[in-house]
Order: sequence, then structure tokens, then C-alpha cells
Amino acid sequence: QALLLQSGAEVKKPGSSVKVSCKASGGTFSSFAFSWVRQAPGQGLEWVGGIVPLFGTPNYARKFQGRVTIAADESTSTVYMELSRLRSDDTAVYYCARGYSDYYYYMVVWGTGTAVDVSS
Amino acid sequence: DIQMTQSPSSLSASVGDRVTIACRASQDIDNYLMWYQQKPGKLPELLIYAASTLQSGVSSRFRGSGSGTDFTLTISGLQPEDVATYYCQYYNSALGAFGGGTKVEI
Repeated sequence: QALLLQSGAEVKKPGSSVKVSCKASGGTFSSFAFSWVRQAPGQGLEWVGGIVPLFGTPNYARKFQGRVTIAADESTSTVYMELSRLRSDDTAVYYCARGYSDYYYYMVVWGTGTAVDVSS
Repeated sequence: DIQMTQSPSSLSASVGDRVTIACRASQDIDNYLMWYQQKPGKLPELLIYAASTLQSGVSSRFRGSGSGTDFTLTISGLQPEDVATYYCQYYNSALGAFGGGTKVEI
């Protein structure tokens, strides 16, 4: 059964960093394109970036380049996203998601979601 | 990055109506387009892939069309369970950009 289990909710101060993990089960970890997608309260979906563990090189939306780092650990089937220099408008639920084994960034399986609250 | 623009941002229709949602890409994306449905309080679900192919298990009321820069999601015979926000998404092996969403109400 395909599951993406994410780390728990975080409360952060503006200017700090947050690191969210996503442990995958079911299927061949290295061949999936894992995306990080966020949804601010009452807002739409926003693609932050992603990684195909087989290739190793992450991809980032231009808006987040320089502030986000995405990595994958094949030994633990876990994907990570770290967002730095947090602002109040980074408050959102962050989801990891993946498609089928074809290296494209679309979403069929969604993670459990991690709420990140940035507040002074 | 490629920008995806949806219209309208919201609409209200009656049960049984035909509903059309538009999605425009800022440049040619061939047919690399997905449509998702997100019901209130739920995770998004894939409706249509490759612009026009219905995901397994999805009602045939939903139809996707288009190629290049202009795409359409049509709901034929709107049902109460179709109340949701619909998103288009451009995807490839380097990025995945969402449209702003269209909220459908009855």
C-alpha cells in the first residue's frame, strides 16, 4: 500500500528554518518523482519543488530558489524539504506527493501533510 | 517558469448544468496537463491526465480537452458531489505548476 508519512506540525519564528520529512512506503522509491506542494489557509495549491531520487538533482520553483532545499535518502526511503528565512506568508500545510514511476512531477499519492505556522 | 491561468476563479451552477473551466499556459506545453479535484477539507484527487485521459474510477461526467496553451475541463450534468475546487497543473520532469483553482458551487 502506497503511503507517505510526514513529520509533525511545526511552529517557527520569522527568519528561522523548518525541515519537513516524508517517509515513503510501497513501490520503488528511487523511481518516483516526489513533489512538495503547499497550501496556505483558504488558498490554492503551490508547487514548491521536487526530486527524483534516481537522478538526485532537485528541482525548485523559481519563487523558492535560494530558500528551499530538497533531498532524498534512499537508505530510509525518506524525502526532506527545508525552507529557510521563513516569513509569515509561509504559513501553510506542506504536502509531499508523488506520481507513478515515470519521473514526472504530478500527484497521485499524497502525504499526511505538515502544518507549518510562522509567527512571532 | 511556465504560468498557468485558470478562469473563472469561481462559479455557481445548478444541478444538471454543464460547467466549463478554462486553463491557459503561458507557453506551449503540448498535452502535459493534469486536472485535480479538491473537495472541502480533503486532499486533491487526480481526475484527468495528459489533458484528456480520464483517471481510472472517475465519472465520465468529466471531460478534458485541449493541447498547446489552451485547455478545458467540462463537467456534464453537474451533481452535488461535484462541489469542489478544480486545479489544472502543468507537469514535466523538472517542474509542476498549478493554476489558481476554480471553485465550483451549486
